[in-house]
Amino acid sequence: SAVISQKPSRDICQRGTSLTIQCQVDSQVTMMFWYRQQPGQSLTLIATANQGSEATYESGFVIDKFPISRPNLTFSTLTVSNMSPEDSSIYLCSVRTGDTQYFGPGTRLTVL
Amino acid sequence: AQSVAQPEDQVNVAEGNPLTVKCTYSVSGNPYLFWYVQYPNRGLQFLLKYITGDNLVKGSYGFEAEFNKSQTSFHLKKPSALVSDSALYFCAVSPLHSGNTPLVFGKGTRLSVIA
Repeated sequence: SAVISQKPSRDICQRGTSLTIQCQVDSQVTMMFWYRQQPGQSLTLIATANQGSEATYESGFVIDKFPISRPNLTFSTLTVSNMSPEDSSIYLCSVRTGDTQYFGPGTRLTVL
Repeated sequence: AQSVAQPEDQVNVAEGNPLTVKCTYSVSGNPYLFWYVQYPNRGLQFLLKYITGDNLVKGSYGFEAEFNKSQTSFHLKKPSALVSDSALYFCAVSPLHSGNTPLVFGKGTRLSVIA
């Protein structure tokens, strides 16, 4: 299994600003995944982050808007840039160890 | 491409009654199937998985799920529902036993258990 922590747990931000979300895993993992979830809705994969290389983004998500860092095998950050109210969501960090995927507690972002 | 369908957005059940949350999948090859639960203001928690072997798998909190290959289904069940089971439930599938690919998730089913 894997234990994942995220910071911050929630934040309220102004339009046009940026927020960086941190994700820490208690073990070394090759891939880390970032998801967005509208409240009460399903998960949307934003990108896959591999240590030492550029993240791979899903359709509809771009690096300029959601830059990701992956400096080592236990840590990653996701930045939500130039925020608008449409970016209000829960952002989840996730890893897959063996055959099971585990999730962090999420970061609840509200953009005013 | 693999996909998961959860045909019900909402399931309501009385406390003490059995519950079923439905899931069907589409994947080439042998599927790896999962159920996750999300309580309010929390991340997703792993409940149970089917990889191989017995078609009936047991997981956390008294939940179980039955893999049915002919019907390509993996329904989540519990013999007696609790109010505390009220949450959002996600079914997921992976065709590969690999740590480098994310699971494919269904859209979720909201379970409400009424006292």
